[in-house]
Amino acid sequence: GQQVMQIPQYQHVQEGEDFTTYCNSSTTLSNIQWYKQRPGGHPVFLIQLVKSGEVKKQKRLTFQFGEAKKNSSLHITATQTTDVGTYFCAGQGSGAGSYQLTFGKGTKLSVIP
Amino acid sequence: DTGVSQDPRHKITKRGQNVTFRCDPISEHNRLYWYRQTLGQGPEFLTYFQNEAQLEKSRLLSDRFSAERPKGSFSTLEIQRTEQGDSAMYLCASTRGSEDTEAFFGQGTRLTVV
Repeated sequence: GQQVMQIPQYQHVQEGEDFTTYCNSSTTLSNIQWYKQRPGGHPVFLIQLVKSGEVKKQKRLTFQFGEAKKNSSLHITATQTTDVGTYFCAGQGSGAGSYQLTFGKGTKLSVIP
Repeated sequence: DTGVSQDPRHKITKRGQNVTFRCDPISEHNRLYWYRQTLGQGPEFLTYFQNEAQLEKSRLLSDRFSAERPKGSFSTLEIQRTEQGDSAMYLCASTRGSEDTEAFFGQGTRLTVV
């Protein structure tokens, strides 16, 4: 079955430093989504990438989808304490009728003020 | 407030008991998903409904688990003869359908089996 690997598992950064998390799928994806989960909270949708090589920005966050549609990354510039949480990528398979999202294990970001 | 509500928020049960959770998705969303999440892991897919039809079910899902969405609105997830390994956060999510696959998650039901 489809597997989604995400690294690193944990990242501790000083406030103001940059942060990147990487996601790799064992199969080609139709799209990839990113979610943020705050401690004690539920996953909250950040963005969806659909096209090969797509790059999207949301303020300090930059999301990329690989050319082969099997890998993705999230980069945060100049982290703030409000960025604390676990960031998950979730891939949707490209098979017909496949609507489930396969989540990575997430990268837990800690920001030291 | 995501608009997806789950009940109860917490459930403590003795091993061997049956439990049932409820999810009310966002009203115009026709797709509904159940996920399970344990500490330090990402949400794990359990099952998916398009309206009232259960279209996908994880191969990892034990036959002690059953889900329904009888009228295409709310859904229930039942776990029979609970085991300690069933302790987890059970998350429900809904999507509008078609090309819009952004999933809105509920707050989850935290199950503890003692």
